[in-house]
Amino acid sequence: AQSVTQLGSHVSVSEGALVLLRCNYSSSVPPYLFWYVQYPNQGLQLLLKYTSAATLVKGINGFEAEFKKSETSFHLTKPSAHMSDAAEYFCAVSASGGSYIPTFGRGTSLIVHP
Amino acid sequence: GAGVSQTPSNKVTEKGKYVELRCDPISGHTALYWYRQSLGQGPEFLIYFQGTGAADDSGLPNDRFFAVRPEGSVSTLKIQRTERGDSAVYLCASSSTGGGTEAFFGQGTRLTVV
Repeated sequence: AQSVTQLGSHVSVSEGALVLLRCNYSSSVPPYLFWYVQYPNQGLQLLLKYTSAATLVKGINGFEAEFKKSETSFHLTKPSAHMSDAAEYFCAVSASGGSYIPTFGRGTSLIVHP
Repeated sequence: GAGVSQTPSNKVTEKGKYVELRCDPISGHTALYWYRQSLGQGPEFLIYFQGTGAADDSGLPNDRFFAVRPEGSVSTLKIQRTERGDSAVYLCASSSTGGGTEAFFGQGTRLTVV
């Protein structure tokens, strides 16, 4: 079985501050990991993905995430938050043990203050 | 079209009625997924198609829910005898092969059962 835990349903930062959104996964086999962003009334858009190549993955809009097997984590970071980053962020895991069907976390709402 | 298309974007129906939700995936994508997203939650898996066949329907909540993909492209999610608890956003996603490739999402159908 595979699962994802996102710590913190809401994260609030000031514009220009570091963004850190946490994701821990559970998988009995090597996973693929994804971060998606969802803006209000829109579908999910892929930010970045880990597919067993480099452990530090760079995505769109200045986001990056680091795969840490020892910690079973895939936290999302951005050095400097922008107002336009305010959205819902979802971490997802996909692995052969789950027929590669993406399993999503509950999401973290990022709030950016001016 | 270039992306995953879902119709209708909004559907209001009376309790007990039958509804059909349509998904038009990206051309050439063999894998298709249906998810349900309730307010404040992450996408919850319903069913996965590989080609024309339902490879995994373990997420369908009960036998009122059914989905088809007769020609391996367009899919229809069917809900019989709708209940107020079925109200949610229904998301469709497709990927090129499954197997850990990223899923591309449509904008969803917001179903409201009154």
